[in-house]
Amino acid sequence: QSVLTQPPSVSAAPGQKVTISCSGSSSNIENNYVSWYQQLPGTAPKLLIYENNRRPSGIPDRFSGSKSGTSATLGITGLQTGDEADYYCGTWDSSLSAYVFGTGTKVTVL
Amino acid sequence: QVQLQESGPGLVKPSETLSLTCAVSGYSISSGYYWGWIRQPPGKGLEWIGTIYHSGSTDYNPSLKSRITISVDTSKNQVSLKVNSGTAADTAVYYCAREIRGYSHYFDYWGQGTLVTVSS
Repeated sequence: QSVLTQPPSVSAAPGQKVTISCSGSSSNIENNYVSWYQQLPGTAPKLLIYENNRRPSGIPDRFSGSKSGTSATLGITGLQTGDEADYYCGTWDSSLSAYVFGTGTKVTVL
Repeated sequence: QVQLQESGPGLVKPSETLSLTCAVSGYSISSGYYWGWIRQPPGKGLEWIGTIYHSGSTDYNPSLKSRITISVDTSKNQVSLKVNSGTAADTAVYYCAREIRGYSHYFDYWGQGTLVTVSS
């Protein structure tokens, strides 16, 4: 059972926007940086966002991250069919002394 | 460009040891950074297994610590993972990844992953 909770699925039409929440606690999200990973079907996870809102080189600005208190949010604008994937949040948990991942969210483009 | 490639037996019998290797190219492990292992059971989410620094110091997930050994061979530029006393619950795709640690934690480069099935 993950300590970071995400909605199982979100969906929207092409060109629209989706947001994915990641809910945690003071021992993880509130006091540590959050990262986000995209996992396309049958492939390895890929870093999408690090340090709450920073994008690695090559990641389009359609992807954005934010954090407030014990929750973090990933936003995807201008949704494309190629964005259909599973998305995971991740952060360090100071109480568990472990890196923890969220439960994962499947994004579907209608 | 940093590249990671996992390898190892695809099938392990219950109670035996699962052994995997991660070959790193495009970067010398001895130059620094942390190197982690993450696994994903079929159809499920990601689980951090543990991490090793180029010096050999390790950090394991407390839930797996008693059965895990991660080591580094800088001469071969590779990292290894051993999971003892394998059970069906250890069946997963195993990924190695470069980990950024400091005031921030995240995994920036990932291998393609290798599926290990624990079954008789």
